[in-house]
Amino acid sequence: EAEVAQSPRYKITEKSQAVAFWCDPISGHATLYWYRQILGQGPELLVQFQDESVVDDSQLPKDRFSAERLKGVDSTLKIQPAELGDSAMYLCASSPLAAGYGYTFGSGTRLTVV
Amino acid sequence: AQSVAQPEDQVNVAEGNPLTVKCTYSVSGNPYLFWYVQYPNRGLQFLLKYITGDNLVKGSYGFEAEFNKSQTSFHLKKPSALVSDSALYFCAVRANTGFQKLVFGTGTRLLVSP
Repeated sequence: EAEVAQSPRYKITEKSQAVAFWCDPISGHATLYWYRQILGQGPELLVQFQDESVVDDSQLPKDRFSAERLKGVDSTLKIQPAELGDSAMYLCASSPLAAGYGYTFGSGTRLTVV
Repeated sequence: AQSVAQPEDQVNVAEGNPLTVKCTYSVSGNPYLFWYVQYPNRGLQFLLKYITGDNLVKGSYGFEAEFNKSQTSFHLKKPSALVSDSALYFCAVRANTGFQKLVFGTGTRLLVSP
């Protein structure tokens, strides 16, 4: 069964440092999503890509977060500088173009900022 | 904007008994509804979805959910709970048009006791 690949699985970084996460969606999935899940809460969308274009980044803290999907395939989410409140699980998901399909999630990256 | 409410933080049930995890939603237009399950330090796994058609939807691992348009609900059910069903369950909704994002509830922890 096809999977969404994410790396690293775990990341510990000091505050004010830069950190990056990588996601490789299921082949052929046009839509890619980055979600943030704070412990004890539901996932919240940070950014949504359609191919290489951003279609929703309204909840992305753009002063410190950036995301790209240059060739419309894999994607990188960056935080610079990291803050203590960024500690969370960062989940990547992908889906086909049609709205009726569910999302397939990767295993996530657990970020701890110390 | 769409939203999801999961009124119970935790549901406790004995193994072999039926279980229900509640979900209500709000969305403009017709909804696409989903249930996901999350095990510790893992991503979200798709259980089932409602797109259209029969209001009773059957999914993975013996779970099912009933769509009730008048009550705007999509409760998750299983006739006989297993200890291995213990996990965090998320309900999610999206509108059925355009690039509308998937919005998650806060999650319900299911604890099945032997």
